[in-house]
Amino acid sequence: LAKTTQPISMDSYEGQEVNITCSHNNIATNDYITWYQQFPSQGPRFIIQGYKTKVTNEVASLFIPADRKSSTLSLPRVSLSDTAVYYCLVGDQIPYSGGGADGLTFGKGTHLIIQP
Amino acid sequence: DTAVSQTPKYLVTQMGNDKSIKCEQNLGHDTMYWYKQDSKKFLKIMFSYNNKELIINETVPNRFSPKSPDKAHLNLHINSLELGDSAVYFCASSLHPGTGVLFGNTGELFFGEGSRLTVL
Repeated sequence: LAKTTQPISMDSYEGQEVNITCSHNNIATNDYITWYQQFPSQGPRFIIQGYKTKVTNEVASLFIPADRKSSTLSLPRVSLSDTAVYYCLVGDQIPYSGGGADGLTFGKGTHLIIQP
Repeated sequence: DTAVSQTPKYLVTQMGNDKSIKCEQNLGHDTMYWYKQDSKKFLKIMFSYNNKELIINETVPNRFSPKSPDKAHLNLHINSLELGDSAVYFCASSLHPGTGVLFGNTGELFFGEGSRLTVL
């Protein structure tokens, strides 16, 4: 099982860059790393996904070292509206392959609080 | 247009009752899911259907019975409700049941807004 470990909570201020790291020491060869964001009273929303090195989209960047045992979600210049819970998921999301529901398992996430 | 819609949004009921939550997606996706988020905010997958076929059943009491009449709908029926069933239930869908390695896509999950069930 590719379990993940994230900080329970983080604080930052508007305009800062925020980096949230997720540890996944048992990541398997076929596993992808996916991050979701959840606001109160809403379902999670996909942010970014990667396999190795760096991935960037209009919302965030994802840094993955060569050993893939961790990953860092980077949010540039956060605003108050980035206050949310951020989840790191690791797996191939292919239940037929015997990987089960690893890639569909959300942990407790990281509660990010942005202050003015 | 809401991509993944769930009804009802709120449900308050007594222990022992039977209730259903409905979910519909208009994204043309093949795969749908039910998740449970408890008071500690832990989000746990319960079931997944791919083209009306059950592919994931994650150690859920058999009081919970999902039904997928077609690939755009996945309903959740709960019998003999217990206090511990109080939670927010999220429906989700994805294009395929897999992610990039085999399917050439992110396997992104699209979630509904949740149905808050309170059992008294």
